[in-house]
Formats: sequence, structure tokens, C-alpha cells
Amino acid sequence: DQQVKQNSPSLSVQEGRISILNCDYTNSMFDYFLWYKKYPAEGPTFLISISSIKDKNEDGRFTVFLNKSAKHLSLHIVPSQPGDSAVYFCAASSPGNQFYFGTGTSLTVIP
Amino acid sequence: GAVVSQHPSWVICKSGTSVKIECRSLDFQATTMFWYRQFPKQSLMLMATSNEGSKATYEQGVEKDKFLINHASLTLSTLTVTSAHPEDSSFYICSASFGGDGYNSPLHFGNGTRLTVT
Repeated sequence: DQQVKQNSPSLSVQEGRISILNCDYTNSMFDYFLWYKKYPAEGPTFLISISSIKDKNEDGRFTVFLNKSAKHLSLHIVPSQPGDSAVYFCAASSPGNQFYFGTGTSLTVIP
Repeated sequence: GAVVSQHPSWVICKSGTSVKIECRSLDFQATTMFWYRQFPKQSLMLMATSNEGSKATYEQGVEKDKFLINHASLTLSTLTVTSAHPEDSSFYICSASFGGDGYNSPLHFGNGTRLTVT
């Protein structure tokens, strides 16, 4: 049972525009959410996180939005750069439990 | 920043042999490390939680006798795939967290090991 879902396997965006990556979850007990970036043949790299007490967290070009009622979070990258091209995973956890990962969205930023 | 080192990055072995994968936390002590497996175009699936000084906790469906985990020190966990078969071919990734069980603390991942069993 996939508790964290990323329904878009891929996304293409022009350089300088905004990239929006979406993630949905089913477990209402999740209270900590993260986004990871992954290049081929490498492990995921932590990007940004948000706890359920917030609805927005910003770090430079990256902003994560959390909509608890909709069980939805999104990652906004603006402006998008070619170096942002990678696979992005969202992950969620609840207290004392493991992280659940989505299947990833492959982002391509076109120069 | 925190660094998790995983070795080897890729390995090819013959069916029936065993392969050991090492995961080290280079600049912090990790009482808990996690081992994931990733199939193509699928999400990271937690295989087991490795606890320093005690037995690993395996997720449902993961054969503990096939995937041996040893957490010998606060900076080293090993995963041994015993009697490997072609279906064990996959991308294995370890991770660790400053925050012990990782709650409210991001995981830091190794670069993964691509295992191919022929």
C-alpha cells in the first residue's frame, strides 16, 4: 500500500520558470515531511523539510507547502535552473515510525 | 555537513556467492542506520533498521537470514546479501540520521550500491 504518492513521474520546465512538484499522502498520522533530490547512481540528498505545525517552509529557491486537510504537499523551485534536473522524492513519517517515500518525479529543466 | 559513505558503489557477483556492503557515518555517530532497496522506477523501500549493539529490525517480507545486518560500532553498519540470486539484483542504499530514529531529523544517505547477480 503506497502511503506516499507522486503521481507525476516526470516534469519538464523552462529555465527561469517555476517548477512545482506534487506529493499526496494517505496517513493522517504523518507529521514530518521531506523532499530529497537524487542524481543517477547516487543516494538521495536532503533538500527541505516541513513539520505539520507549519504550512510553508522556505529555503532559498525552494519552498515546500503543506495542506494537511488535503493531505498534499508541494515543492516549488523558482527560478528553475538546469542543475535542478534530477529525481525528486517526497517522504513522510509519523512519530517513532519509518519514513515512507514516494516513487519520485524526474524533473528536467530545459536551458 | 553530515556524510554517509557507502562501499562498494557497484558490485557484480555470481549466483550463490555472498556480498557485503558497508555503510559508514563519517562525521557523526549513528546509533541507528537504515537500509533501503530501490527497484527501477519505484520508491525506496525500507528493508531494515540497524541498531548499534543489538539485532536489526526487519520489515515484513524481508528475509533476515538472507540479508544479514551488523551494526558493529556507532559509525559502521554492514549489509551482507547471502547466497545471492539474480532477483537480488538491485540498488541498495543506507542512511543515518543525527536524530537517532530519524524522527523530525532528515536522513543522510550513502551513494548506494548497485548489485548485479549473474
